[in-house]
Amino acid sequence: SQQGEEDPQALSIQEGENATMNCSYKTSINNLQWYRQNSGRGLVHLILIRSNEREKHSGRLRVTLDTSKKSSSLLITASRAADTASYFCATVGNRDDKIIFGKGTRLHILP
Amino acid sequence: DAGITQSPRHKVTETGTPVTLRCHQTENHRYMYWYRQDPGHGLRLIHYSYGVKDTDKGEVSDGYSVSRSKTEDFLLTLESATSSQTSVYFCAIRGDRVGELFFGEGSRLTVL
Repeated sequence: SQQGEEDPQALSIQEGENATMNCSYKTSINNLQWYRQNSGRGLVHLILIRSNEREKHSGRLRVTLDTSKKSSSLLITASRAADTASYFCATVGNRDDKIIFGKGTRLHILP
Repeated sequence: DAGITQSPRHKVTETGTPVTLRCHQTENHRYMYWYRQDPGHGLRLIHYSYGVKDTDKGEVSDGYSVSRSKTEDFLLTLESATSSQTSVYFCAIRGDRVGELFFGEGSRLTVL
């Protein structure tokens, strides 16, 4: 089964609001990454957080990691219409070089 | 631009025929990955490579084989395509410094 599971599966919010997506995983990790996919395109890397980090920021993005709960969250602040996309978390394990993705969250920003 | 290209971008084939998808990189990265993406399943890892002639299985490797005879090319082969292999296939290379993936634009395969 897949390592990462995002929650919610879909999210619609008004432009300007904050969007929060969650990711849970099952085994120990080296790092966790978040990606974005616009419809029909390849995924684009957003941010990486290592297992010894608890929080990381990049522009309007804030990622947290709780290794005790095996969970991560991605917060997008002051959302824009251009943020409409699917967002995926991916985990890199400690034992091998597999990078395993979750099923993703579809984010729709309403004008 | 991460210098990664996939070919073909679109292919329609019949059940039972062999299919090979090619992933080419220009950046000399060690790690390369093949994923498939299907509605409701997200991305699932098929195979990956950690060097020339060094490959390993992913989550859904049955029915697929890979080869990497040189650093820049990672081939995914469906020996005998089935309708369940209709999907969008993505290749990715892994950055050496941070470890993030750079994706190709995908190859849409339809097996009739």
